[in-house]
Amino acid sequence: DTGVSQNPRHKITKRGQNVTFRCDPISEHNRLYWYRQTLGQGPEFLTYFQNEAQLEKSRLLSDRFSAERPKGSFSTLEIQRTEQGDSAMYLCASSMTRTGELFFGEGSRLTVL
Amino acid sequence: AQTVTQSQPEMSVQEAETVTLSCTYDTSESDYYLFWYKQPPSRQMILVIRQEAYKQQNATENRFSVNFQKAAKSFSLKISDSQLGDAAMYFCAYRGSGYALNFGKGTSLLVTP
Repeated sequence: DTGVSQNPRHKITKRGQNVTFRCDPISEHNRLYWYRQTLGQGPEFLTYFQNEAQLEKSRLLSDRFSAERPKGSFSTLEIQRTEQGDSAMYLCASSMTRTGELFFGEGSRLTVL
Repeated sequence: AQTVTQSQPEMSVQEAETVTLSCTYDTSESDYYLFWYKQPPSRQMILVIRQEAYKQQNATENRFSVNFQKAAKSFSLKISDSQLGDAAMYFCAYRGSGYALNFGKGTSLLVTP
């Protein structure tokens, strides 16, 4: 296992289009997190899964955002009707325990034109 | 909500010298965990060091050590014998009773030869 994998690495889309990002966590990790990072800022928490259950969602996650983790393996983050303000790096991380280290992927960069 | 503050947007250090990055946090919890993560340019975030709040002893990982002052809610990172490869964004992060790991805005560390 080589770590957390995210696809696509880069996505350029026009405003109003839908986009979907995929995250494959480290296989033995049952906890998965999505974060958003804009230039010059720290990562902002979006949502958390434990196995297939979405246990926490940030207020940042508007109705246009939806995340799933079917079968507790990979996860997808979909953004509907994208806006320019959605342009950011979307980071996925996984961990084995609640208080342990988060292992991050390289991120998926979204540019909304 | 817990907040993490990194008051130094940028820091510079010469190779082989020592640098200290500052972090303060605000919480009403007594049991929590603190982290420093490193994000090199265009690469994924990796854990540098971790501190459990219930431990009085400051964590150390090779050239990296922390000064954890629980009463002052301060958690600084000291990098000794700085190397060119230490150049990166450094993020302080807090995890309390919730699921989210809350990050500060980061400090950009420049290492000069």
